[in-house]
Amino acid sequence: GNSVTQMEGPVTLSEEAFLTINCTYTATGYPSLFWYVQYPGEGLQLLLKATKADDKGSNKGFEATYRKETTSFHLEKGSVQVSDSAVYFCALSVHRRDMRFGAGTRLTVKP
Amino acid sequence: EAQVTQNPRYLITVTGKKLTVTCSQNMNHEYMSWYRQDPGLGLRQIYYSMNVEVTDKGDVPEGYKVSRKEKRNFPLILESPSPNQTSLYFCATKREEGPYEQYFGPGTRLTVT
Repeated sequence: GNSVTQMEGPVTLSEEAFLTINCTYTATGYPSLFWYVQYPGEGLQLLLKATKADDKGSNKGFEATYRKETTSFHLEKGSVQVSDSAVYFCALSVHRRDMRFGAGTRLTVKP
Repeated sequence: EAQVTQNPRYLITVTGKKLTVTCSQNMNHEYMSWYRQDPGLGLRQIYYSMNVEVTDKGDVPEGYKVSRKEKRNFPLILESPSPNQTSLYFCATKREEGPYEQYFGPGTRLTVT
């Protein structure tokens, strides 16, 4: 079945450090890939998405590239801020009826 | 403003006392779903509804019921809550066209003692 595996956290970084959160997937068909972010006490918000191989999603300084050859969709940001502290979820969707999520990675950024 | 609302946001209850968590969306989407979020497990789908009067089980439906009588509402019902249903619950809705991104409510934190 379809599934997502993302790196376990928690991840703790200093402000302005480089961030990578790894995400790999298994899917039949042609999935769309997503990164969601959950700030403390809030619901999930879409951070970025990519719908086909080699697409790059980007938003708020975050980027992820849909790599079909490695079945990956790693999240990166060149310089994190304290306000980026949150839980990040990688997800995929093949059909309208479902979406599969990774376990989530908690990021803490220290001043 | 397009949004998904849930009520209540926080609920503490006792084992066996029936409860309902409401969900409403104003985006006119056909699709709605419920998830629970538990540490280390991510989000797991409880039930989903492709359109009015059509619902189906997700990955973890045991102990839950849903109903979809109107397009905008999709309540989650726990007939006899148990402590293992203590969790954070999210309602979501999804566009009809791909790439099928979902829009989430703010969450309901449920504690069953």
